[in-house]
Amino acid sequence: DIQMTQSPPTLSASVGDRVTITCRASQIISTWLAWYQQKPGKAPKYLIYKASILESGVPSRFSGSGSGTEFTLTISSLQPDDFATYYCQQYNSFPWTFGLGTKVEIK
Amino acid sequence: QVQLVQSGAEVKKPGASVKVSCQASGYNFNDYYIHWVRQAPGQGLEWMGWINPNSGGANSAQNFRGRVTMTRDSSISTSFMELSRLKFDDTAVYYCARGNPQGAFDFWGQGTLVTVSS
Repeated sequence: DIQMTQSPPTLSASVGDRVTITCRASQIISTWLAWYQQKPGKAPKYLIYKASILESGVPSRFSGSGSGTEFTLTISSLQPDDFATYYCQQYNSFPWTFGLGTKVEIK
Repeated sequence: QVQLVQSGAEVKKPGASVKVSCQASGYNFNDYYIHWVRQAPGQGLEWMGWINPNSGGANSAQNFRGRVTMTRDSSISTSFMELSRLKFDDTAVYYCARGNPQGAFDFWGQGTLVTVSS
C-alpha cells in the first residue's frame, strides 16, 4: 500500500497568515492526489484534485502543487472559515490511501 | 444538486452485522462509483472499498476483505455497505462518497455513526 505522510500534524496560525501543508507519498503517484477539508462533526469537503486543480467553488486562496512523491497545499491568506483539518489522498493505485491529516488551529 | 443521504446511527453488539445505506440524487446513479470511507473517533480517514453501481462489481481494501459486502439497488439509487463480525474497534463514522472520473471523491454523505458496544 502507498503510505501518505502529512506534515505538520498540527499548525497554529493567525488570520491572514500564509499556510503550507506537505504531503509525501511512499511511491510515485504522478499527480493523482486530492486534498480535502474537514470540520468537526462534518463530512470531508473536496478541495483539489490532480494535485493542483481547484474544485469549482473553492476559494482561490487555496492552491496545490507537486508531482511524483512531494505535494503541498497552500492557503495564501488564512480566513476564519479555514480552521479545520486537511487530508491528502492518493488515487494512483489500489487501495486508495489518506494522510493522517493536518489540523490548522487558531494561534 | 448532487446529494448522498445515509441511514441513521446504529448501535450493535460485537459479532453482529450492520448495514448502512446511501441514497443518491441529483445525478445518474449508474455513472459514478460509490466509495465507502470510515473514520474512528478522533482518527483519520480509512478507505474501505468501492462499488460500480452500473455493473454491481465491487472491491474492498485488504483490511476488510471477507467482512464487508457492498451492494446496490439502482431502482432506488441506493448503495449499501454491510460489515459483519463487528469488533469494538469498528466503532466509527462511516461515509459514502461519489468517485468522480478523476478518481477522487467529490460528494460525500453526511456520515453514519456505528457504535459497537456490549
